[in-house]
Amino acid sequence: DQQVKQNSPSLSVQEGRISILNCDYTNSMFDYFLWYKKYPAEGPTFLISISSIKDKNEDGRFTVFLNKSAKHLSLHIVPSQPGDSAVYFCAARAYSGAGSYQLTFGKGTKLSVIP
Amino acid sequence: KAGVTQTPRYLIKTRGQQVTLSCSPISGHRSVSWYQQTPGQGLQFLFEYFSETQRNKGNFPGRFSGRQFSNSRSEMNVSTLELGDSALYLCASRRDGTSTDTQYFGPGTRLTVL
Repeated sequence: DQQVKQNSPSLSVQEGRISILNCDYTNSMFDYFLWYKKYPAEGPTFLISISSIKDKNEDGRFTVFLNKSAKHLSLHIVPSQPGDSAVYFCAARAYSGAGSYQLTFGKGTKLSVIP
Repeated sequence: KAGVTQTPRYLIKTRGQQVTLSCSPISGHRSVSWYQQTPGQGLQFLFEYFSETQRNKGNFPGRFSGRQFSNSRSEMNVSTLELGDSALYLCASRRDGTSTDTQYFGPGTRLTVL
């Protein structure tokens, strides 16, 4: 049972346009959501996050939106740049006991920004 | 500050063999988690170690095991390798795994099982 779903395996966007990456989740216990970006031959790097008590968080060109009632979040990149081409992972956090929080990741969406 | 390091970066083994992967966390980080990344499954959580104790465990068979040393370095072992174990194994560290932590990933070890 996949608790975090990224239904689009890939996305192509023209440079300068908006990229929208989507993520759905099923577990109501998730209280924090993160996006990671991964280039080939490198580990994922943290991009942006949002607490479940908020509906929007912005950091430069990156904005994450959270719709709790729909259990849906999205990452907007405006404007998209060729260097944004990477695999983007959505992750959700839940308390796992013993004072620890555990992340559950989606399968990723490969973004290609076309110059 | 040095990042998370993993050794080796690439490894080729044959079925039935065993393998040990190593991870050195960021200095001061006491929590180390391991993930398996495959094209079809994304990042799947293997286990987390904190202060030399396994704190969380994912849904993987007992062939996958790990340990953490007093300096927070961690090793992951896979015994009786199967073809399906071919994957990128990622290690991630964080300070202590509490609510304000951010997880930092290493570059991964690419394991190929022939």
